Parts: sequence; structure tokens; C-alpha cells
Amino acid sequence: DAKTTQPPSMDCAEGRAANLPCNHSTISGNEYVYWYRQIHSQGPQYIIHGLKNNETNEMASLIITEDRKSSTLILPHATLRDTAVYYCTGGATNKLIFGTGTLLAVQP
Amino acid sequence: GAGVSQSPRYKVAKRGQDVALRCDPISGHVSLFWYQQALGQGPEFLTYFQNEAQLDKSGLPSDRFFAERPEGSVSTLKIQRTQQEDSAVYLCASSSPAVRANTEAFFGQGTRLTVV
Repeated sequence: DAKTTQPPSMDCAEGRAANLPCNHSTISGNEYVYWYRQIHSQGPQYIIHGLKNNETNEMASLIITEDRKSSTLILPHATLRDTAVYYCTGGATNKLIFGTGTLLAVQP
Repeated sequence: GAGVSQSPRYKVAKRGQDVALRCDPISGHVSLFWYQQALGQGPEFLTYFQNEAQLDKSGLPSDRFFAERPEGSVSTLKIQRTQQEDSAVYLCASSSPAVRANTEAFFGQGTRLTVV
């Protein structure tokens, strides 16, 4: 199972891009990288996932390095509602391995 | 309902008491998961069902923890003889209208268990 490492906290100005890094050097070749976020007192919310290629959806973009040892989640225009703990997880859907995540604080 | 529903939202149990936590997954979702989240930590995997079959229970911390999903829909997580270290938020998630790995999981709001 992939172990992930993330900075404990980050700040971002409202309207600017938020770039959240994650190291997953032990990820195996068939394990996906998933990103979830958790707003206080709610369950985690899915954001995006990928295997090798960069991915984009309506919420965010995911950039995965060629060696797959790290990735970056990009929120293109952060809003105050994006303040949350962001988890990078490795594995398959049926056994997500969460770390302690990054608390992203979006500042007005 | 539209999402994963868990009940109760809050449960206070006296040490030694048995508790049962319920999860109603999204209708038609084959896969169901239970996670435990201690204060300030990320969720930790407990167990996984595919329909009524419990395919992975490697995360259950002791034999006091038991999960079931007898008809492949609603699931119950039971904790016997609760201890203070069982205090946590218990999250349920479901995924996939068909058996397919590597898709998104939808989480409920969780049940906050406090053992006193």
C-alpha cells in the first residue's frame, strides 16, 4: 500500500491558484493516486484521481510526475469554500490509504 | 436518498456497552466501506464489502469489531464491549453501480462515537 506525505498546512489567497503537493514514492505501478477533501464535520469528498497521465475535471487538475513518485493537485481559482483538509491517497477504491492531509486555508 | 446516510450522527456509550452503527449506501452501489477517523487524523480503513460478501476486513482493530451487510445494501458496524480508544468518527462510503475498481467513493457524514 502506498504511503503518502503531505505538508501539514498551506495558505492561499482567494482567487489565486492553490497547488498542493504530495509525495508517494512507494506507490506501485497499478495503484492510482486519489485526492479527497474534508470540510469540518463532513465526510471526505472525492476530487480527482489518476494513474499516469495528468487529469482535469470541473473541480481541479492533477499533475503526476513521470516517475509517479509525486503529484500536485491544482485548484485554479481558490475560494473561501475550498478551505478544507486535502488528502492525497494511494491505492484502489476498495482500500484507500489516507495520511494526515494538508489543511488548506484560503484567505480573503 | 441521494447520498450515503449514516445513523445515528452522534452516539455516547458507556465503557463496556455494545453499539451498532448503521449505513445506508447509495442505491445500487455494489461496494461499501467502513473507515475509522480519530481526532486530527485521516480516515483509516476498517473493512470492505462487495454486495453481501466481506472481501477485506484487515483493518478491523480487534475481534470486538464486526460488520455485516446481509442483503447487499444496508450495513451495520457493531462494536462490542466498547473501550475509550474506540472513540472516533466512523465513516461509511459506497461506490460504483457495477463492480469496477478505481472509481470514486461517496462518503457519509459519519457517526461520532464517544465512549465515556
